[in-house]
Amino acid sequence: QSALTQPPSVSGSPGQSVTISCTGTSSDVGNYNRVSWYQQPPGTAPKLIIYEVSNRPSGVPDRFSGSKSGNTASLTISGLQAEDEADYYCSSYTTSSTSLYVFGTATKVTVL
Amino acid sequence: QVQLVQSGAGVKKPGASVKVSCKASGFTFTTYFMHWVRQAPGQGLEWMGIINPSSGGTTYAQKFQGRVTLTRDTSTSTVYMDLSSLTSDDTALYYCARAASYSDSAFDHWGQGTLVTVSS
Repeated sequence: QSALTQPPSVSGSPGQSVTISCTGTSSDVGNYNRVSWYQQPPGTAPKLIIYEVSNRPSGVPDRFSGSKSGNTASLTISGLQAEDEADYYCSSYTTSSTSLYVFGTATKVTVL
Repeated sequence: QVQLVQSGAGVKKPGASVKVSCKASGFTFTTYFMHWVRQAPGQGLEWMGIINPSSGGTTYAQKFQGRVTLTRDTSTSTVYMDLSSLTSDDTALYYCARAASYSDSAFDHWGQGTLVTVSS
């Protein structure tokens, strides 16, 4: 099972919006709404920010939103803030014979 | 509040085994599946396996089949990850993570991570 594909980096100025893509296959993202997103600032454990494609856990700002089209899920951060600078990972349930879950390749978000 | 507290960092020699613990508190231990995820230095997240603390049932990523064993002790609300035949490629930060109550495919609470270094 190969990792889901994310862009290595995205950047934006404070207040702008950035979108991170997460491309999988019909074995994972394409056929299941079991996509999550995690934020990982340097030196910390990942934090869940989106589950089941577009749902936010309690306490996560509504600046974070998720969507999906075909085999690609997306995370959008609106009104970018300095504290949003971190690595972001998508993950998905998969019916691959090699794993139950697969993560994305990570995207570094830089606030200019 | 929910807490997952992992055992401390360690250095192991190639060929050895390591056992990492993850003690849960703040929730009913047997109600939530627990995952193990690792992260090599400067690399991404990699799912290793899952355990049902109620039944002890496990599922492992094929990559780790035969080398990893997940167990639990319900009397202490602790899950364990045992990885054998270590190589330098196993040098990584190992996390336990709880499956969310609202979505079994989301990991809503994570341990602080345990750094395992494999070096001769």
